[in-house]
Amino acid sequence: EPEVTQTPSHQVTQMGQEVILRCVPISNHLYFYWYRQILGQKVEFLVSFYNNEISEKSEIFDDQFSVERPDGSNFTLKIRSTKLEDSAMYFCASSAMGQGNQPQHFGDGTRLSIL
Amino acid sequence: GENVEQHPSTLSVQEGDSAVIKCTYSDSASNYFPWYKQELGKRPQLIIDIRSNVGEKKDQRIAVTLNKTAKHFSLHITETQPEDSAVYFCAASMSGQNFVFGPGTRLSVLP
Repeated sequence: EPEVTQTPSHQVTQMGQEVILRCVPISNHLYFYWYRQILGQKVEFLVSFYNNEISEKSEIFDDQFSVERPDGSNFTLKIRSTKLEDSAMYFCASSAMGQGNQPQHFGDGTRLSIL
Repeated sequence: GENVEQHPSTLSVQEGDSAVIKCTYSDSASNYFPWYKQELGKRPQLIIDIRSNVGEKKDQRIAVTLNKTAKHFSLHITETQPEDSAVYFCAASMSGQNFVFGPGTRLSVLP
């Protein structure tokens, strides 16, 4: 069964540094998402992406965040100047159609630790 | 915006018993309701979903019911097994909108 893959599995970064989290969505999927899960809390929506542009974003997704699909397979989340409170598990997800109608399939996540 | 509440936050059942987790949502325009299971340190995995044009859906030991009028939906797990132990998240969404997740229910199935 095809899966969403994410790299790295764990990223440790100094506060103020930039990080890039990488995702390879399922190949025939068209909609891509990033979510965040702070330890022990619920999954929170960050951003959705379709047709090479952001289709929706939450209030968490402020100016320090950006997403990109640099080629036909990768989907990246960049955090420009990391803060301690950015420490969380970041999940990438993809779906075949619009997120309101089709299930989203999640990757294994990247655990981001900001020191 | 949409708000999803989930109860209980923790649930312990004996192996073989049933477990029920309930969620309520606030926006009557929401029309898609998935349930995800998340084992410790793992990805959320879709276990069942329901759309607003259906009142109930079943898949082996798992079923979901939806009451659109009352804006609540429930997950039912029958004949629970120790491997059902995990955190379960419900979510609600409208077409073209993001998923809003509930806070999760930690289910423990005791052998």
